Amino acid sequence: EDQVTQSPEALRLQEGESSSLNCSYTVSGLRGLFWYRQDPGKGPEFLFTLYSAGEEKEKERLKATLTKKESFLHITAPKPEDSATYLCAVRRYTGTASKLTFGTGTRLQVTL
Amino acid sequence: DTGVSQDPRHKITKRGQNVTFRCDPISEHNRLYWYRQTLGQGPEFLTYFQNEAQLEKSRLLSDRFSAERPKGSFSTLEIQRTEQGDSAMYLCASSFNPGVSKDEQYFGPGTRLTVT
Repeated sequence: EDQVTQSPEALRLQEGESSSLNCSYTVSGLRGLFWYRQDPGKGPEFLFTLYSAGEEKEKERLKATLTKKESFLHITAPKPEDSATYLCAVRRYTGTASKLTFGTGTRLQVTL
Repeated sequence: DTGVSQDPRHKITKRGQNVTFRCDPISEHNRLYWYRQTLGQGPEFLTYFQNEAQLEKSRLLSDRFSAERPKGSFSTLEIQRTEQGDSAMYLCASSFNPGVSKDEQYFGPGTRLTVT
């Protein structure tokens, strides 16, 4: 069974204080690792997809990286508007199946 | 492109009542997914459609749950004889699947169900 573990559960940063979120996964035949941002009471917002070890993607202050066992979401010089829950998910393509298996998320709070 | 929309955004119902939710995917997307999310957890997969065909259902989807996508466009999720344990956020997502490797799912705002 696919498993996704995110750490830490919660993270509090001061504005400008860079850090990383971790996503460890166990999946047979990875066909994509996804990062989403979710604000309270809203649906997840797509950020990145990574497909192979060594791949990196960037968007503004966020950078996602992937190894064979884990992914990191690096946040450089965060701002208060980066406060949200960040969700990691994996996809294992088998025949017609294409569901995502999510972790429980990291709640990030960025203060002034 | 207006994104994935869901209706209603909030639903309060009494235990034992039936409820139905609607999802309108992004217009050119051929795949549509339903997930359920409870407080402090990530979304859990329920079912998905490719065009009008329902291709996979989770074991979470008991016989009280049914989903349809009759014309390959919008979808409905019905819960019969609701229970308090059904209280959750119900999320719909859609994707365009041109091949195996590309299948980025975009989520709607969700329907918050409260069963009293």
